[in-house]
Amino acid sequence: EADIYQTPRYLVIGTGKKITLECSQTMGHDKMYWYQQDPGMELHLIHYSYGVNSTEKGDLSSESTVSRIRTEHFPLTLESARPSHTSQYLCASSEGLGMYEQYFGPGTRLTVT
Amino acid sequence: RKEVEQDPGPFNVPEGATVAFNCTYSNSASQSFFWYRQDCRKEPKLLMSVYSSGNEDGRFTAQLNRASQYISLLIRDSKLSDSATYLCVVNGNSNSGYALNFGKGTSLLVTP
Repeated sequence: EADIYQTPRYLVIGTGKKITLECSQTMGHDKMYWYQQDPGMELHLIHYSYGVNSTEKGDLSSESTVSRIRTEHFPLTLESARPSHTSQYLCASSEGLGMYEQYFGPGTRLTVT
Repeated sequence: RKEVEQDPGPFNVPEGATVAFNCTYSNSASQSFFWYRQDCRKEPKLLMSVYSSGNEDGRFTAQLNRASQYISLLIRDSKLSDSATYLCVVNGNSNSGYALNFGKGTSLLVTP
């Protein structure tokens, strides 16, 4: 089993609230990623990080922001949640780029009402 | 054009059947290829990497055709536990930190 954790697993929240989705890994991986996946659809990369103090936006435009202050921690924040943010958010990490396996956390299923 | 295209299925097959999934990718510079498995409402997990010469892992065989930019997965002697969505995955370019590009997935249902 991969040592990558996400909390909360499920979140139902009202429009306009600020939320932070937590992601932690204990594998010492430098590379971490956030994906968004709607039901029956492919994963889309929204953020990635090469290491501490490194964050980049992914292919899918997202109103969320991320930070990487510690190697093991890569939280995602939505300043003002909207119904269009309803989705599953998956965090992943890998030892390196490209050819390396990505390990996924169990995901956070977010519903904004 | 999407980076990775897969037949979404669903594929409904009886136990013991052989089933093949196909996938095409658009970036000719891609170097790394994988098949991931995703169970319903779960996270994706690596099934196998795909090597240029083709590779086998038990009942699973993966093939890569770089000229046609085509990847396949063959499952022999299907088990009920093989029921899942199979994701074709190809590495991206430097603009995305070489993060992985995922296909939409092919759904497999193995029936008794």
